[in-house]
Amino acid sequence: SQQGEEDPQALSIQEGENATMNCSYKTSINNLQWYRQNSGRGLVHLILIRSNEREKHSGRLRVTLDTSKKSSSLLITASRAADTASYFCATDAGDSSYKLIFGSGTRLLVRP
Amino acid sequence: SQTIHQWPATLVQPVGSPLSLECTVEGTSNPNLYWYRQAAGRGLQLLFYSVGIGQISSEVPQNLSASRPQDRQFILSSKKLLLSDSGFYLCAWSGLTGPDSPLHFGNGTRLTVT
Repeated sequence: SQQGEEDPQALSIQEGENATMNCSYKTSINNLQWYRQNSGRGLVHLILIRSNEREKHSGRLRVTLDTSKKSSSLLITASRAADTASYFCATDAGDSSYKLIFGSGTRLLVRP
Repeated sequence: SQTIHQWPATLVQPVGSPLSLECTVEGTSNPNLYWYRQAAGRGLQLLFYSVGIGQISSEVPQNLSASRPQDRQFILSSKKLLLSDSGFYLCAWSGLTGPDSPLHFGNGTRLTVT
């Protein structure tokens, strides 16, 4: 079953602009992770935020988590053409299992 | 450093034929191993995961099975493929640090069932 749902499904921006993607989930979680996927390749882990954290930064990435609303956002600042990819949020099942459930993803196009 | 190998990269198989996709991990011990499937332009569906040799958890009842004959080897199989089995299959591993451990993915196998 789908745990995370991203929105928008697709996003097109100009190079240098900021890109914001949102993720909503259904059950309580221990952490939420964001991944990036270039076309036809495997996913690459970007950042993890724990349920007791509200905000986390990594380079040009900023992730927020609102557990009361069961939602997270990923902000990419000063976007580059190389940021063009699909971005997925993923959550654990909220139990002691090692399952990681992915959302449907946001396809980001950064126009040069 | 740890690496994950997944093969083949692409595969075209007729309906009713068997399937075997292999995934191996190097540079780590006792990894958690995962098989996901991704339909075109969609998210990832968890198919199987394993926390140890011979321990397989199935997430979706379907035409596929998984096995873990060795610590760092994970195999996805089918006795008879269906058209609906087409998709992009991704193997991944994570360490044993609990739910905080990120997944590391292979480059995937694109399966087309004709």
